[in-house]
Amino acid sequence: GNSVTQMEGPVTLSEEAFLTINCTYTATGYPSLFWYVQYPGEGLQLLLKATKADDKGSNKGFEATYRKETTSFHLEKGSVQVSDSAVYFCALVGGSNYKLTFGKGTLLTVNP
Amino acid sequence: NAGVTQTPKFQVLKTGQSMTLQCAQDMNHNSMYWYRQDPGMGLRLIYYSASEGTTDKGEVPNGYNVSRLNKREFSLRLESAAPSQTSVYFCASRLGQAGAEQYFGPGTRLTVT
Repeated sequence: GNSVTQMEGPVTLSEEAFLTINCTYTATGYPSLFWYVQYPGEGLQLLLKATKADDKGSNKGFEATYRKETTSFHLEKGSVQVSDSAVYFCALVGGSNYKLTFGKGTLLTVNP
Repeated sequence: NAGVTQTPKFQVLKTGQSMTLQCAQDMNHNSMYWYRQDPGMGLRLIYYSASEGTTDKGEVPNGYNVSRLNKREFSLRLESAAPSQTSVYFCASRLGQAGAEQYFGPGTRLTVT
């Protein structure tokens, strides 16, 4: 079946540091890939997505590229802000499967 | 559009009590989902409804029942609450076509004492 593995946190960075959160997946066929963000006390919000190989999703300075050869979808941001402190989830959905498969989440804390 | 709404936001139950968590979406989505989120466990799927009139079990269905009342509404019922059901519950919906993302509600924080 489908699975998502993302780096365990917590990750603590200083403001303006470079961020990478690794995500790799196992799936049959050609899944669509997502990054979600969850701010404290809130539900999950879609951050970005990519639906085919070599697509780059981007939003709010975050980027992730769908790499089929390495089955990866790593999240990056060049300069993080305190307001980026949140939990980040990598997820995928494959083919006609109605269910998204989520990673366990990575807690990011950005200090001023 | 309100998106996905959930009621109540907070609830405290005693062991053995029952309650229903309500979820509604106004995006004309076909599929709806219930998750629970516990510290260190990520999101776990309880039940889902791929389309109006169908429901299926997810990873952790024991102790829960669901009803897809119509295309907009999907409720989650705890018949006899247990402390192990203390969690944050999220409802989500999705258009149901290839590549579509899920949209989440704000969550219900449930404590069972």
